[in-house]
Amino acid sequence: LAKTTQPISMDSYEGQEVNITCSHNNIATNDYITWYQQFPSQGPRFIIQGYKTKVTNEVASLFIPADRKSSTLSLPRVSLSDTAVYYCLVAPNDYKLSFGAGTTVTVRA
Amino acid sequence: DGGITQSPKYLFRKEGQNVTLSCEQNLNHDAMYWYRQDPGQGLRLIYYSQIVNDFQKGDIAEGYSVSREKKESFPLTVTSAQKNPTAFYLCASSPRQGGEQYFGPGTRLTVT
Repeated sequence: LAKTTQPISMDSYEGQEVNITCSHNNIATNDYITWYQQFPSQGPRFIIQGYKTKVTNEVASLFIPADRKSSTLSLPRVSLSDTAVYYCLVAPNDYKLSFGAGTTVTVRA
Repeated sequence: DGGITQSPKYLFRKEGQNVTLSCEQNLNHDAMYWYRQDPGQGLRLIYYSQIVNDFQKGDIAEGYSVSREKKESFPLTVTSAQKNPTAFYLCASSPRQGGEQYFGPGTRLTVT
């Protein structure tokens, strides 16, 4: 599995855009990039998945440059309820996922 | 409502006892997983099952056992051989290979 590196923590304020960058220099051709969100004492929740370029859904956008060695999760206009841990996962489209420590995002009023 | 249920939410056991954690899903998913999470850490895969009557070890299977006799159920037994069983245990399922994983609410196990 490709190793991922993401910041340990990020602070933001309500209404701002939060961008979390994940580095994955050893990403393989058949790897997908997936992001999950986890609140304390709850299971993670799928946010978005992409392979290349840009993917957008009602919650977030995922930007992947042409070399795919990094990706950026963009959360538009965050609110206090977006305070959570965000995990970047890089893996082939199979059953096994590896969750690192993630990025703790704290949104302040 | 479709979803994954785990019970109980909190579980307390004495050292040396085996304990079984329940995981049930009514999403008709083929694949199911068990993860362990320690404070401030990410999730680590214990076991996973792609189909009924089949399962594979994950990264930290020692001291754990599972069964998959029904599509809907994937119970995890924490045996006395597990050195540090106190943790937050999460069950998940996915409909297809590489698909989004849906997680249950978790069981917090404390062994003293």
